[in-house]
Amino acid sequence: DAMVIQNPRYQVTQFGKPVTLSCSQTLNHNVMYWYQQKSSQAPKLLFHYYDKDFNNEADTPDNFQSRRPNTSFCFLDIRSPGLGDAAMYLCATEGGGGGYNEQFFGPGTRLTVL
Amino acid sequence: AQKITQTQPGMFVQEKEAVTLDCTYDTSDPSYGLFWYKQPSSGEMIFLIYQGSYDQQNATEGRYSLNFQKARKSANLVISASQLGDSAMYFCAGGTGGFKTIFGAGTRLFVKA
Repeated sequence: DAMVIQNPRYQVTQFGKPVTLSCSQTLNHNVMYWYQQKSSQAPKLLFHYYDKDFNNEADTPDNFQSRRPNTSFCFLDIRSPGLGDAAMYLCATEGGGGGYNEQFFGPGTRLTVL
Repeated sequence: AQKITQTQPGMFVQEKEAVTLDCTYDTSDPSYGLFWYKQPSSGEMIFLIYQGSYDQQNATEGRYSLNFQKARKSANLVISASQLGDSAMYFCAGGTGGFKTIFGAGTRLFVKA
């Protein structure tokens, strides 16, 4: 089945230690998103790619970076995680065709910062 | 949509009953799309149903239907014949293009046996 995969499902890192979360998709979708979701809150968009075009949300901290080496893979790099960065990180894809399309989400990576 | 409001933090429903989850939106753009997603405790967001601003009919997908009232700017989700597996967080979301979807705060649904 075509899907969105996130690894790892659970990540523990230390305060200030860089961490990378990965996302892959078999849907061949043009658009990939990264969201941050804190407990009992709505997902917050960090950035998205349309193909190789990167779009950063204005309020996304510089501490968060992303890479998309090819259509299938997208990475979220947190350069110096703080305690406030502990959250669920959701990757999603979208076909990117005309109109408004649903997003397909991965299972998420739950990040703990010690 | 530029703002999505879900005013029900939590809802209870008896198994096999219908339940309505409220969503209002605020946008000045005449063209927009509205979505509902389900998020079980496992964390994965699951797309349920979509309504376009120009759609004449209310959207339906199996047990899910969307009560779209454009003049009131509301897009309520109706779940018929609730099942225990429907217990989850439900998010209303909207987009006006540009690959930017705004999510509401969510409603946690509890289905009682």
